Amino acid sequence: QLQLQESGPRLVKPSETLSLTCTVSGASIRSSSYYWGWIRQPPGQGLEWIGSIYFSGTTYYNPSLKSRVTISVDTSKNQFSLKLSSVTAADTAVYYCARLKGGWLQAFDYWGQGTLVTVSS
Amino acid sequence: DIQMTQSPSSLSASVGDRVTITCQASQDISYSLNWYQQTPGKAPKLLIYDASSLETGVPSRFSGSGSGTDFTFTISSLQPEDFATYYCQHYDNLPSLTFGGGTKVEIK
Repeated sequence: QLQLQESGPRLVKPSETLSLTCTVSGASIRSSSYYWGWIRQPPGQGLEWIGSIYFSGTTYYNPSLKSRVTISVDTSKNQFSLKLSSVTAADTAVYYCARLKGGWLQAFDYWGQGTLVTVSS
Repeated sequence: DIQMTQSPSSLSASVGDRVTITCQASQDISYSLNWYQQTPGKAPKLLIYDASSLETGVPSRFSGSGSGTDFTFTISSLQPEDFATYYCQHYDNLPSLTFGGGTKVEIK
């Protein structure tokens, strides 16, 4: 059974960098059939795609966040990570990692439970 | 950028009711449209992909239809566990993934 688990600091100060890691278990992140991605959801609001990565390291980002986002992959640990720089209170959200089915950036079929990250001094 | 307009933003319904939610794209997106269910405190769950394909393990009371700019998501007979928020999501070759604003289905 595929499982994804987000980990990282739950509290980040304004102007600093938010860092999260997604650990994948039950399947290899090196599978050629899947991309992996990050999505966030501010409290009481809708969903926003942040970006996605392939095991080779190919990345795609939401243009609205592209200047601040870096997503990387560590196949030896079966993990992928998110860094979001220069955060503000508007970046407070539940951050989810997920798998994309369809061999492309198509649909998120497996999700982590999500982790709430608060930006506050 | 393609915009996804989901409606209504909320609705009230009773167990057994037929529920319909729509998602409109600002331009032709063919069949590149998925539907998710999210219950409070949980991650979204994929229900329908490619406009009308039922994800494995999802009950058949859920269905999707449409193509081009207009899409419909239907629950044929609402069950107690179906009270949740539903999102449409578009994907394209830019690539870009865009979610609709969500529809909260509440108990009447």
